[in-house]
Order: sequence, then C-alpha cells, then structure tokens
Amino acid sequence: EDQVTQSPEALRLQEGESSSLNCSYTVSGLRGLFWYRQDPGKGPEFLFTLYSAGEEKEKERLKATLTKKESFLHITAPKPEDSATYLCAVTGANSKLTFGKGITLSVRP
Amino acid sequence: DGGITQSPKYLFRKEGQNVTLSCEQNLNHDAMYWYRQDPGQGLRLIYYSQIVNDFQKGDIAEGYSVSREKKESFPLTVTSAQKNPTAFYLCASSTRQGEAFFGQGTRLTVV
Repeated sequence: EDQVTQSPEALRLQEGESSSLNCSYTVSGLRGLFWYRQDPGKGPEFLFTLYSAGEEKEKERLKATLTKKESFLHITAPKPEDSATYLCAVTGANSKLTFGKGITLSVRP
Repeated sequence: DGGITQSPKYLFRKEGQNVTLSCEQNLNHDAMYWYRQDPGQGLRLIYYSQIVNDFQKGDIAEGYSVSREKKESFPLTVTSAQKNPTAFYLCASSTRQGEAFFGQGTRLTVV
C-alpha cells in the first residue's frame, strides 16, 4: 500500500527564516511526486511535479527536491503570504493519488 | 476558463437523506478523483475513475457511490449508510502524467 508521511506537522517561522519541509514515501512504481499548497477553506493548488531521484524544481521562494525515499520543499526567505498548508502526494503503478496529512506553515512578520 | 467546478459550495443534509455532490471538468482529463478532508487531516481517497464507465474504490468508499457516464462529470452520492458524513469534499482531475487539479470543494454538514 502506498504511504506518504510529512513532517513536521506544523512549522512556525519568522519572516526571512529559511527552512525545509519533509515528505517520506513508499510506493510501488513511482510515477510522480507532487507538492500542493492549500489555503483554509479552498482546494489544493498545484505547485510541482517530480518524476525521478535527483530532480529539482523551483518557483519563486520554493524549491522541491526528490530522492528515492523522500522529497523536500525548501522555503528560502519566506514571507507571511507563504503561510498555508503544504501537501505532498504520490502516484504509483495503480494510478492512485495518495496524499500525506500536510504541514501547516505559519510565517510571522 | 478551463477548470474543475464543484457545486454546491455548502450543503446541509438531514440524517437518513442521500445527497449528491456535483463535479464537472472541462480540462479533457481522463482521470477524476473524490477526496474527503476532515479538520487537521490530509486528503483521504473515496473513489477514482481513470476512464468513462469505470471507477475504483479508494480507501474510504463505504457509504459513498459514484458514476462516470461522461468524461466531464463525476458526481458523488453520500448515502444514509455513511455514518459521519460531515466533512469537506474535494474533486480533482489529472493529466496523464498524474498532475491533479482541484475544485474549490463542497462543505457538507449533517443537521
């Protein structure tokens, strides 16, 4: 059974304080690993797709990396508007999209 | 504009009633999904469909039913057999590469 574990559950940062969010996964036949951002009361917003170990993607202050067992979402010099829940998901050979529980990020001004 | 449309945004159900949540997409995606989200929880998969007229149970399918008669539409029925239906329901469709795009959700409350 595919599994996704995200840590920590919650993270509080000062504006400008860089950090990383972790996503560990087990999946049969990884087809893709995905990162999403979710604001309260809204649907998740797609951020990145990573397909193979060693791949990296960047968007503004966010950078996602992938190894064979985990992915990291690095946040450089975060701003208060980066506060949200960040979700990690994987798709395996069965095409089922499995999510972790998410990491709630709060960035204080 | 292309996207996923869920309706209604808020839905109230009396105990013992069946209700149907609508999900429509115009992204020409083959795969569609229904998830349930409870406070402080991640997304749990209810049902998913990879092609028209075919669908599979997810991790928490009991008390729910779906149909996929058209590529664009994937309605979810919450039946009276679902004992704890109050939750936030999210519909998604995905590309062949697995990138999923979500609707804005339906918040269902049992009254």
